[in-house]
Amino acid sequence: GENVEQHPSTLSVQEGDSAVIKCTYSDSASNYFPWYKQELGKRPQLIIDIRSNVGEKKDQRIAVTLNKTAKHFSLHITETQPEDSAVYFCPNAGKSTFGDGTTLTVKP
Amino acid sequence: DTGVSQDPRHKITKRGQNVTFRCDPISEHNRLYWYRQTLGQGPEFLTYFQNEAQLEKSRLLSDRFSAERPKGSFSTLEIQRTEQGDSAMYLCASSLGQAVNSPLHFGNGTRLTVT
Repeated sequence: GENVEQHPSTLSVQEGDSAVIKCTYSDSASNYFPWYKQELGKRPQLIIDIRSNVGEKKDQRIAVTLNKTAKHFSLHITETQPEDSAVYFCPNAGKSTFGDGTTLTVKP
Repeated sequence: DTGVSQDPRHKITKRGQNVTFRCDPISEHNRLYWYRQTLGQGPEFLTYFQNEAQLEKSRLLSDRFSAERPKGSFSTLEIQRTEQGDSAMYLCASSLGQAVNSPLHFGNGTRLTVT
């Protein structure tokens, strides 16, 4: 089946900087692209999602962009804060499967 | 609280024993998923139900694992003859409609320790 590849696997930024995580997919029929955040010891939670008829969606400091031609979508976090430190996942929504995500560390 | 609830939160068992976990999804959600997660890894898909029908089961899932959702509401996951390698967090999630275009709502999980 088609996989979703996520990069980078780890990301460390200074508080206040921006962070970008990218996911590449292969199934042209994909039309739903969610991002989940999992803080240490907690459950994964949806933080933002986008559908294929939209190119960008923003919610305060987070945004998701979709490039259907290149088959990738990205999570953007601006003005990062220590509480943004977590693992972020872009699952293969069509198959309900998760990779190992991106561990984001925001240094104060 | 109308979120996904799982019981118990923690379970310690001896190798070879059977264990059963319960998941109560959000009431109007027709899809229910089970995942297993170990430290440093993402959630590993185990199986999912649409209403009472089990539509997919991971090929990696041992025959010692079985799940049910008899009335299309709550679900149980049973592990028979537990092994130390079964130690993990077992997560349940539910969604309304198809996961292909619906967000998953996760419970807080059941942490299993096999000694």
